Amino acid sequence: QKEVEQNSGPLSVPEGAIASLNCTYSDRGSQSFFWYRQYSGKSPELIMSIYSNGDKEDGRFTAQLNKASQYVSLLIRDSQPSDSATYLCAVARTGAGSYQLTFGKGTKLSVIP
Amino acid sequence: NAGVTQTPKFQVLKTGQSMTLQCAQDMNHNSMYWYRQDPGMGLRLIYYSASEGTTDKGEVPNGYNVSRLNKREFSLRLESAAPSQTSVYFCATRQGTSGSYNEQFFGPGTRLTVL
Repeated sequence: QKEVEQNSGPLSVPEGAIASLNCTYSDRGSQSFFWYRQYSGKSPELIMSIYSNGDKEDGRFTAQLNKASQYVSLLIRDSQPSDSATYLCAVARTGAGSYQLTFGKGTKLSVIP
Repeated sequence: NAGVTQTPKFQVLKTGQSMTLQCAQDMNHNSMYWYRQDPGMGLRLIYYSASEGTTDKGEVPNGYNVSRLNKREFSLRLESAAPSQTSVYFCATRQGTSGSYNEQFFGPGTRLTVL
């Protein structure tokens, strides 16, 4: 059973601080890793994808991947109240004729003004 | 360019009624997916279609059927709705078919209540 684990939170950080969101996964064959942001009542929105070990930066967001430790993280610098949402970690491995994402249950982030 | 659209946005059914949820995309993507999202359970895959003409079961297919009508459209049918199918349903698309690292993009969702 492939599992993706996230701390459900809520994670509260003050405005301007760094928010750190973590995710672990059980399938060692996983090859693709994604972070989605989901506002209450809305659909998931892709914010980061990462495929290789190391860091990937995009604006205020940095995704970090460590395949040996089966660990993915998302850092949000200079957190804003508009970043308050649930963040979903998703993991995939590809196989012949299939491509499925396994999602974590999400971490709720609250940025306090 | 609407991306991924879903109809209806909201629906209330009585137990035993049937309905079809519609999904359409104008992104020219090959793969399409149906998920349900329940509190505390996260997103779970119901069915997917890796390419036009193919469909496969996901994690929770019981009580559902799908049709990949053409490259653009992928529908989800509930033949006899049950209260356990009360959920938010999301359609998603992906450019590739298999073996390539492509992201999935979600539609706005359908909120379904079965009484």
